[in-house]
Amino acid sequence: SQQGEEDPQALSIQEGENATMNCSYKTSINNLQWYRQNSGRGLVHLILIRSNEREKHSGRLRVTLDTSKKSSSLLITASRAADTASYFCATGISGYSTLTFGKGTMLLVSP
Amino acid sequence: DGGITQSPKYLFRKEGQNVTLSCEQNLNHDAMYWYRQDPGQGLRLIYYSQIVNDFQKGDIAEGYSVSREKKESFPLTVTSAQKNPTAFYLCASTTSTGAWGNTIYFGEGSWLTVV
Repeated sequence: SQQGEEDPQALSIQEGENATMNCSYKTSINNLQWYRQNSGRGLVHLILIRSNEREKHSGRLRVTLDTSKKSSSLLITASRAADTASYFCATGISGYSTLTFGKGTMLLVSP
Repeated sequence: DGGITQSPKYLFRKEGQNVTLSCEQNLNHDAMYWYRQDPGQGLRLIYYSQIVNDFQKGDIAEGYSVSREKKESFPLTVTSAQKNPTAFYLCASTTSTGAWGNTIYFGEGSWLTVV
């Protein structure tokens, strides 16, 4: 069963704007990861945030994690057309050998 | 360069045929995975392997088979029993048997179409 649910399913913005995607999950986790997928390609890891962390930054990416609300958000600042892709959250639970992926948010950044 | 190589990129299957998708990694990873992705959907786990000569079913294993005879290789066979195999297939690997705490690395995927 899928653990993470991204919201919105699709997001369309202009270059230079910020993009925010949310992920909600159902059970307690040990970490949450965000991945990016360009159309027809494999997924690429963006960032991992552990359950004892509240915020993490990587370049133009900012991820927050609220374990009390079982939710995470991914913020991309100053979006570029090259950021156009699908973004997936994946949850990890200690002892499990796999991650569980959500259905993704499709981001379109127009020049 | 280190990475995961999937082949072929595009594959067509006739009704009743078995086809095999190749996945090779040179990252020295222990764990390997196969996911299926349908258009506009997330990833669903087909099979995974944590060590050579051992593998486990994922959420949608019916109609698929795998082998793990070498650490570097994890081929996926889509059998004729899989009634709706048209999809994008992704192979992935990670550094240890505990994928929950590690980055997963993906191949570029294989498109399978039934004709």
